[in-house]
Order: sequence, then structure tokens, then C-alpha cells
Amino acid sequence: EPEVTQTPSHQVTQMGQEVILRCVPISNHLYFYWYRQILGQKVEFLVSFYNNEISEKSEIFDDQFSVERPDGSNFTLKIRSTKLEDSAMYFCASNLGLGRTGELFFGEGSRLTVL
Amino acid sequence: GEDVEQSLFLSVREGDSSVINCTYTDSSSTYLYWYKQEPGAGLQLLTYIFSNMDMKQDQRLTVLLNKKDKHLSLRIADTQTGDSAIYFCAEGTTGTASKLTFGTGTRLQVTL
Repeated sequence: EPEVTQTPSHQVTQMGQEVILRCVPISNHLYFYWYRQILGQKVEFLVSFYNNEISEKSEIFDDQFSVERPDGSNFTLKIRSTKLEDSAMYFCASNLGLGRTGELFFGEGSRLTVL
Repeated sequence: GEDVEQSLFLSVREGDSSVINCTYTDSSSTYLYWYKQEPGAGLQLLTYIFSNMDMKQDQRLTVLLNKKDKHLSLRIADTQTGDSAIYFCAEGTTGTASKLTFGTGTRLQVTL
């Protein structure tokens, strides 16, 4: 069964460092997303991406965050200068798009720990 | 803004039915979802229901939607120890993307 894959599964970084989290969405999907879950809190929407541009972003997704689809398969989330409060599990997701938005598939997550 | 609320914890005996409840505030919600998260794992889509449906059944899972009261429930029949996990309710609307609003999650503990 096709799945969304994410790397790394866990990254530890120092405050102020840049981090790139990688995702390979399901191959025929058109919409890509990042969500995050701070430990013990709700899963929160960060950003959606379609046709090589951001469709929507939350207020969490400030100038320190960026997304990119550098090739036909990868979808990345970059945090330019990490803060302690960026420590969370980051989930990538994808779906086919309009008319099939009900089926949103998540990866297993990348745990980011900022020290 | 949109809000989704769930009770935090539910304990049931193996073989019993589990009912996990959820309330939401966004009346424009088009889809309502149930996701399962096992320890250290990602979010597994269990089932979803369109807002114009009242009920959806899928094997041991039954989803009931009361749109008037904005109440969603997930019933798991014959609950097994492997069902122990956190269950997230989420709502979303059609549009340009699937921006889901999640609940806090209900931890289901299945005892022998």
C-alpha cells in the first residue's frame, strides 16, 4: 500500500540552527501538507502546498518556515533558525486534492528536539 | 475559530464496545475524521464521514454524526488490546486544501 515517508525520524539540534525535514508524498497525490504536534498538545495545521506554491498557511508558519518541492518526489520543510518552542513532531501529509479531500494520508512523523 | 473537543481518556474491557465522542464548532465542516495514533507512530486514517451522512459503518467501526448538535462518535465493536491508542477526531472543509482541525485526542486503554 502506498504511504507517505518522512526522514529523519528524529533530529536533535541546537537553538538557532537550520533544520530541513524531508517527506516523500504518495506518488500520484497533488496536495501536500505539514502539520505539527507539540508533546501533549493538539495536531496543528502549518501549511498546504499545491502546484508548486503555498495554498494556505497558519499563523504558526512565519518567516522562519519555508517549504519546497525540489524535485518530483520530495517535499521539504525548512526551519531557518530553530527555537526551543519548535520542538515537536512534524507530520507530512498528502492527498489527491479536490473531490478526494476526504482521504488525507499522514507520514509517521519527524520528531524535532531543539536544545 | 474552529474548535474540536474530546474527552481525554477511556478505559474498556476487551470484548466490550468502545464509544469515543467528539464535539466540533465549525458548522461549515464538510468532512469529519477519525485518526488513530499508536505510541511513537504517525496518524493512521481510520475512517471519515461526509457531513451529509448520519452514519457510516466499516467492519468493527461505526461513525455517528449528529450535525444539529455538532457531535461525532466512533464506536469500536469487540474492542481488542490492539485497539489501545490515541484516537483523534478532526474536521475539515472542502476548498483548496485539507486544512484539518484536530481534537486533543482520546487515549483508549483496553484491559483484559
